[in-house]
Amino acid sequence: SAVISQKPSRDICQRGTSLTIQCQVDSQVTMMFWYRQQPGQSLTLIATANQGSEATYESGFVIDKFPISRPNLTFSTLTVSNMSPEDSSIYLCSVGDRVYGYTFGSGTRLTVV
Amino acid sequence: DQQVKQNSPSLSVQEGRISILNCDYTNSMFDYFLWYKKYPAEGPTFLISISSIKDKNEDGRFTVFLNKSAKHLSLHIVPSQPGDSAVYFCAASDEGGNYQLIWGAGTKLIIKP
Repeated sequence: SAVISQKPSRDICQRGTSLTIQCQVDSQVTMMFWYRQQPGQSLTLIATANQGSEATYESGFVIDKFPISRPNLTFSTLTVSNMSPEDSSIYLCSVGDRVYGYTFGSGTRLTVV
Repeated sequence: DQQVKQNSPSLSVQEGRISILNCDYTNSMFDYFLWYKKYPAEGPTFLISISSIKDKNEDGRFTVFLNKSAKHLSLHIVPSQPGDSAVYFCAASDEGGNYQLIWGAGTKLIIKP
């Protein structure tokens, strides 16, 4: 299965600023997924990123708040923009499919103060 | 509306005994179910999955049972080991769901020595 390197592992940010999270995969993948896990909650899919096209966002998430880049088949970034304390969560990237399972990055623990 | 529910936030089991983690779902269109394990500061790790055409899938110490009529699945770990202490997530998807996984909130399993 693919190996994902995600960074940063954690950050503490001031409200109103932005943070970009990076995920590097050790193999080429068609789709990459970005999730959020708020404290005590389940994982929620933010968006699906295909190389060379706009990301597809789930209900409740918008591109202005969570812009995603997917410049090639092994790399993607998620930016959390204009942060507020409500954005404090763990953010995870993932690759895979439902038959063979999904592999996740180690997560980025974001705290907004 | 939670489509996938893990009603037990935590479970404590003696080492060597059986751990049983439960998951209920409401969407009858789900046809694939997965269990993930998550350690602190790490991303979820795929454990085992089951298709709706089966009622049991076994992999070493891990067995997943699916009861479609009850919309219920369970993960059995036998025997439980200290390294099994983690948060376990149940996830489900349907063929028309565009790869999206719907996640439960997780159950924290604590294995007591």
